[in-house]
Amino acid sequence: SQTIHQWPATLVQPVGSPLSLECTVEGTSNPNLYWYRQAAGRGLQLLFYSVGIGQISSEVPQNLSASRPQDRQFILSSKKLLLSDSGFYLCAWNLGVDSPLHFGNGTRLTVT
Amino acid sequence: AQSVTQLDSHVSVSEGTPVLLRCNYSSSYSPSLFWYVQHPNKGLQLLLKYTSAATLVKGINGFEAEFKKSETSFHLTKPSAHMSDAAEYFCVVTANTGNQFYFGTGTSLTVIP
Repeated sequence: SQTIHQWPATLVQPVGSPLSLECTVEGTSNPNLYWYRQAAGRGLQLLFYSVGIGQISSEVPQNLSASRPQDRQFILSSKKLLLSDSGFYLCAWNLGVDSPLHFGNGTRLTVT
Repeated sequence: AQSVTQLDSHVSVSEGTPVLLRCNYSSSYSPSLFWYVQHPNKGLQLLLKYTSAATLVKGINGFEAEFKKSETSFHLTKPSAHMSDAAEYFCVVTANTGNQFYFGTGTSLTVIP
């Protein structure tokens, strides 16, 4: 069966520090991969999605970036965190158009 | 264009009573619809999905939803609430055109013992 791993679960970082969140999927090949952010009490905002290695689509202009160095690995990065980057970050995957998203357990990021 | 409206931000029910969480959608295409549940500090878990097959969809944990095209609705129901059902619920729509998923703003379900 397929599983998705996301780490770390929680992270506290100072303003201006770098960020790297990692997500890996097991048990499937060539998944679509997604990064979402969920602000407190709000819905989900799509940040990036990828349909293949090295293919990244950005949905929101910001100081975050994403990379997909391997088929089942998706990384969210920042060179300098802002206070507004605080939130709950969720990685997800699916297999093609209209198939449901499957989410990781998320990373709670607090920028201080 | 696609969008989702969850009509209630908070719903409270007593344990053992029915649950109704309402969702209306807007879609320019034949939509696929999903319900997800999110417990605190966890990811979203798929409850059920509608993808143009049977209009009454059964999901996990006793939940079901009915796709009503004439009403553009996809309400989530459960006959008898359990304490473990207390969580945030999201209605999601996508179109047959790509990888865009449109999330509702969520309904927080409280179950009163």
